[in-house]
Amino acid sequence: AQSVAQPEDQVNVAEGNPLTVKCTYSVSGNPYLFWYVQYPNRGLQFLLKYITGDNLVKGSYGFEAEFNKSQTSFHLKKPSALVSDSALYFCAVRDANTGGFKTIFGAGTRLFVKA
Amino acid sequence: DTEVTQTPKHLVMGMTNKKSLKCEQHMGHRAMYWYKQKAKKPPELMFVYSYEKLSINESVPSRFSPECPNSSLLNLHLHALQPEDSALYLCASSQDPNREYEQYFGPGTRLTVT
Repeated sequence: AQSVAQPEDQVNVAEGNPLTVKCTYSVSGNPYLFWYVQYPNRGLQFLLKYITGDNLVKGSYGFEAEFNKSQTSFHLKKPSALVSDSALYFCAVRDANTGGFKTIFGAGTRLFVKA
Repeated sequence: DTEVTQTPKHLVMGMTNKKSLKCEQHMGHRAMYWYKQKAKKPPELMFVYSYEKLSINESVPSRFSPECPNSSLLNLHLHALQPEDSALYLCASSQDPNREYEQYFGPGTRLTVT
């Protein structure tokens, strides 16, 4: 069975400081990993994905994530946080070797960036 | 055009009403999805349409009835809903069912059942 965990309900960071939002996963095969952001009363916006290739993935709005196979993690990072980054962030995973619809979303992490 | 649109943005309905949610995309995507999202929770998959045919129904109560009139449109018909059905209803699409992990989401319809 596959699963994804976001261990922090909320992350607080000061504007200009680096931010990290954590995600760990469990799949039996190779993972496809994703980050989405959701602003209040809006749908999810795709930020970035890892399918294969370089472990460091760069995405929208200056975000990046690093795939770490040994730690089964895919943490979202940004070197310098903006107040406008405050939102709800979802990590998602699916097993690349599984057919059918199998993308699972994490519970979400709320990011607060303070000016 | 990389947008999924949803109408209405907000909907308030009584438990005896019949209403419909509409979703539209013009990206040529052949898979479309309905999700339900409660506050501060991840989206929960309800239905998947693949090439205009219903391929997944995640044990959703029959008071929710999906319809896919063509490859660009997806409707969700609502009837005799309960207050606990109040939520944000999200539509999404992907190029095809095999690329369901690359979904484009609409802004959602905020539904309140009174």
